Amino acid sequence: EVQLVESGGGLVQPGGSLRLSCAASGFTFSNCAMTWVRQAPGKGLEWVSSIGTGVTNIYYTDSVKGRFTISRDNSKNTLSLQMNNLRADDTAIYYCTKGDSNYWYDYWGQGTLVTVSS
Amino acid sequence: EIVLTQSPATLSLSPGERATLSCRASQSVSSFLAWYQQQPGQAPRLLIYGASNRATGIPARFSGSGSGTDFTLTISSLEPEDFAVYYCQQRSNWPRTFGQGTKLEIK
Repeated sequence: EVQLVESGGGLVQPGGSLRLSCAASGFTFSNCAMTWVRQAPGKGLEWVSSIGTGVTNIYYTDSVKGRFTISRDNSKNTLSLQMNNLRADDTAIYYCTKGDSNYWYDYWGQGTLVTVSS
Repeated sequence: EIVLTQSPATLSLSPGERATLSCRASQSVSSFLAWYQQQPGQAPRLLIYGASNRATGIPARFSGSGSGTDFTLTISSLEPEDFAVYYCQQRSNWPRTFGQGTKLEIK
């Protein structure tokens, strides 16, 4: 059974940092592209960042470039998102998603809530 | 950036009725379009990928069609569990983008 379990969310002040993690199991993690998608309270879905199977293929939405860093540890089946210089508009539930062989998001974690507020 | 526009924003129907949801792209995405369903308080679930392919375990009452810029998600006969929010998403270009969602509510 595929499982994606996010952790690391919480309340942080503007300008602060958080590191999100996603523990993956039930599939060959190293063979799958992975993605973070977020959802602000009461709003729609927003793609944040993706990482391919090889760490050279990394993409970010413009609003997080230079502030967020996606990474993966294939030895630990873990996806991470380092978030620095957080802003109020980064407040959202952050979902970890798995890409299938055609890069569609076929499995999603339950999400972790990040709240940026003073 | 490719903008996906979904319509209507809200669709009010009764169980047993047919639902037709639309997604229009600001430029061609070929068939690189997916549909997701999100129930309240839950993570999204992949329904349709490649514009017309049902994901694993998705009932046959869900179907997708279209290519280029105009796409449709059809639910042939609504079940109570189908009332949710639906999003389209393209993977033709970076950045990946989602539509703003269509809320399917019980009339």
